[in-house]
This record gives sequence, structure tokens and C-alpha cells, in this order.
Amino acid sequence: NAGVTQTPKFQVLKTGQSMTLQCAQDMNHNSMYWYRQDPGMGLRLIYYSASEGTTDKGEVPNGYNVSRLNKREFSLRLESAAPSQTSVYFCASSEGRGGANVLTFGAGSRLTVL
Amino acid sequence: GNSVTQMEGPVTLSEEAFLTINCTYTATGYPSLFWYVQYPGEGLQLLLKATKADDKGSNKGFEATYRKETTSFHLEKGSVQVSDSAVYFCALSAKWDFGNEKLTFGTGTRLTIIP
Repeated sequence: NAGVTQTPKFQVLKTGQSMTLQCAQDMNHNSMYWYRQDPGMGLRLIYYSASEGTTDKGEVPNGYNVSRLNKREFSLRLESAAPSQTSVYFCASSEGRGGANVLTFGAGSRLTVL
Repeated sequence: GNSVTQMEGPVTLSEEAFLTINCTYTATGYPSLFWYVQYPGEGLQLLLKATKADDKGSNKGFEATYRKETTSFHLEKGSVQVSDSAVYFCALSAKWDFGNEKLTFGTGTRLTIIP
């Protein structure tokens, strides 16, 4: 019963370093998402992928890139990390394609940029 | 655009107290409405949902009714337990491109139940 698996759970970076957050789901879901969670701001959508082979920007895409490697995997890359990107990042997936969209979330990745 | 406004926390209650967490929304069309819960150190998980006006979602003793006339989806529970301590998020789902739907979340309400 893995669901959505994110790695790493914790990461500390220095300003300007790069890193990739990995996400995989085993539910055969079509859609995948990356959110960031900041105090007092709820969850904000960074990027999403409605289906394999497509990706689109969400509310706060600047400073990030994504890759939908296959149906299972959706990675988030920070090319040059900034302190403003200190946050908790959540990957999620859903069946997609017009259903009442119930998301399944990973446990989160806490990123600190010094 | 779409938005969700929920009552600010933190909310602290005694065990067995009655809980209400208010949520109102702005959306075009007919969104689906959700409550998600986040327990400490975990990701969000669906608590309940309602897909059309006057629907009532319920789960684990929690209830919320989709009120189109007041654009609200308030979360209620008659008798809270310590294990209900968590952060609660109201969310709506409205269609974006190609018939898919994405969620818009409120800012979350932290609930603490004391024995």
C-alpha cells in the first residue's frame, strides 16, 4: 500500500545549489501535482501533469522545473535554490480526466535553503 | 478566480466539545467541495467531499453540507477527541483545461483538542 512516495524527506541546501525532488505513485493515476505548503498560505500549486507526457504551470512555477518521466513518476527540480524556496513540498496524484478530483498525497519533503 | 476562505486558527477545544470550522468559497460554475486533514508529520488525506448543492459529506463523525445559497461548506463534529488534533483544509475543485480539475485550498485551520 505505498500510494505516493516522495524522496528525500528532508534536505538542506545552500543558496544557488540545485536538487531534484522525486515522486512516484503506484495507483495507476493519470494526474500528478507538486504543491508547496507555507505557514498561513495553505497549499499552492507549483506544477501539474494532467496525463503522461504533459506538464503545465500552476500558481507559483517560478524557479522550478518538472519532468513527467512516465505515468508513475513526476519530479520537481530546483536549478538554483533560493531562501524563498524554503518550504514543505507535497506531491499528489489523482485519477484525473474529469472526475471529482480526490488527491492522494505523499508524506512531504521539508526543504531548507540557507 | 476561484478562492476558498476558512476560519483562522488555531482552534483549541476540550475533549467532547462541539466543533465548527467555517469555510466559504468563490467559484464559477459548480465546483466540488472537500475537506482534507493533515495529521502531524503526514501528508494531507481526504476527510469528506460533496459534489453538488445540498449534498452532505460525512466521515469519522465529521459532516459538512454543500450550501450553494451561502457558498459555504462548514465542517462540524458533535464530540471531538484528542485524536482529531490536526490541521484541516477546505478545498474546491473546478475544471481547468481539457476537462480536468484542480484543487484550490484554503489556508488551513489548526485544531488542538485537550483532554
